[in-house]
Amino acid sequence: KAGVTQTPRYLIKTRGQQVTLSCSPISGHRSVSWYQQTPGQGLQFLFEYFSETQRNKGNFPGRFSGRQFSNSRSEMNVSTLELGDSALYLCASSFGATNEKLFFGSGTQLSVL
Amino acid sequence: AQTVTQSQPEMSVQEAETVTLSCTYDTSESNYYLFWYKQPPSRQMILVIRQEAYKQQNATENRFSVNFQKAAKSFSLKISDSQLGDTAMYFCAFRRNTGTASKLTFGTGTRLQVTL
Repeated sequence: KAGVTQTPRYLIKTRGQQVTLSCSPISGHRSVSWYQQTPGQGLQFLFEYFSETQRNKGNFPGRFSGRQFSNSRSEMNVSTLELGDSALYLCASSFGATNEKLFFGSGTQLSVL
Repeated sequence: AQTVTQSQPEMSVQEAETVTLSCTYDTSESNYYLFWYKQPPSRQMILVIRQEAYKQQNATENRFSVNFQKAAKSFSLKISDSQLGDTAMYFCAFRRNTGTASKLTFGTGTRLQVTL
């Protein structure tokens, strides 16, 4: 079984631009969650989707949004990029909606110049 | 809100030796999960071990074991017979055991270096 796939691996953007990151969960997994990892703030929860519905959202500004498609693939979007958005964005998937193990992808490294 | 604290930013251990990574947490929940994740240079977070709070028995996965002290809110990871491949960042994480919550709260991590 293929693991969690995140694309692209690396991304460079400039301030003010917007960006879309993609996550394909493990086949059969219906829950996808996103985390931001920075040296200063560590790992922080962004949001979680299950069956195309956002079930949980972290403490991030409205510039951060996401969605999940009927095939469980998920995208997250960041608009009006700021320098502080430079981070590793990790996606994780799980089979169900409760407390199954999370499986992480290798992340997308976003650099905002 | 839950907090997870890892007080050891960096640790070093010689190959084949044993090392223990510390983690404490704070929560008012009684039912929850605790995890140790490993993040090697590839950046992928890999689950090392999981502990369910209602289970008194400490979890074990091959060379990895935990010392779970619920009353003290302590959850340390012991790595036996350390290998070079164990070199990585290790994160302790907390997750509520409810019907819907899958959010993980992470500690700041411990960078472990295994040397020859």
